[in-house]
Amino acid sequence: DAMVIQNPRYQVTQFGKPVTLSCSQTLNHNVMYWYQQKSSQAPKLLFHYYDKDFNNEADTPDNFQSRRPNTSFCFLDIRSPGLGDAAMYLCATRSGPSSYNEQFFGPGTRLTVL
Amino acid sequence: GENVEQHPSTLSVQEGDSAVIKCTYSDSASNYFPWYKQELGKRPQLIIDIRSNVGEKKDQRIAVTLNKTAKHFSLHITETQPEDSAVYFCAASKKGGATNKLIFGTGTLLAVQP
Repeated sequence: DAMVIQNPRYQVTQFGKPVTLSCSQTLNHNVMYWYQQKSSQAPKLLFHYYDKDFNNEADTPDNFQSRRPNTSFCFLDIRSPGLGDAAMYLCATRSGPSSYNEQFFGPGTRLTVL
Repeated sequence: GENVEQHPSTLSVQEGDSAVIKCTYSDSASNYFPWYKQELGKRPQLIIDIRSNVGEKKDQRIAVTLNKTAKHFSLHITETQPEDSAVYFCAASKKGGATNKLIFGTGTLLAVQP
């Protein structure tokens, strides 16, 4: 059974056209993460939520925003996508706060910017 | 902050041989070290992890060793099979409550030749 679900799996947008990616989880985990992963690179953390507390990484561009309306859902908004934002976007969850708890990843959304 | 280095970046072995991937970390406060396997176009999946109070952990053909003094940990895969071919990421994490996050290594592309 799917535990971390991402929609859509593939998203094509035009340069500068806002796009929203969604993530939902059935695990009831406190923590949700958004990562950006480019080809042949490690996942790069953009931000994460502990419950409703938002934690932004220092080098995450302002172009990226996030919302978490409830425990189950988290959204990634890219306000004005550029060609450099084409990547796989991974959502992950963790049952906080122990550092030993596993992070569960969703299948990802592959974003193409034309 | 934490920095994780991973070597080699690519590794090719013959089926049945062993494969070893090594990582070093910089923050002595890191206490949890997971390894993720990512097949092409798929999500990272946890394959094994180790806590800082343990020196070695084994799960069938996969083992991880940790040397806290030297701040390095390694993944060992024995009797490799073609389905082991993937990118492997090591990561480090430390107890930090709500702000706990994984710092990933740069990844190792493992190719198992039949």
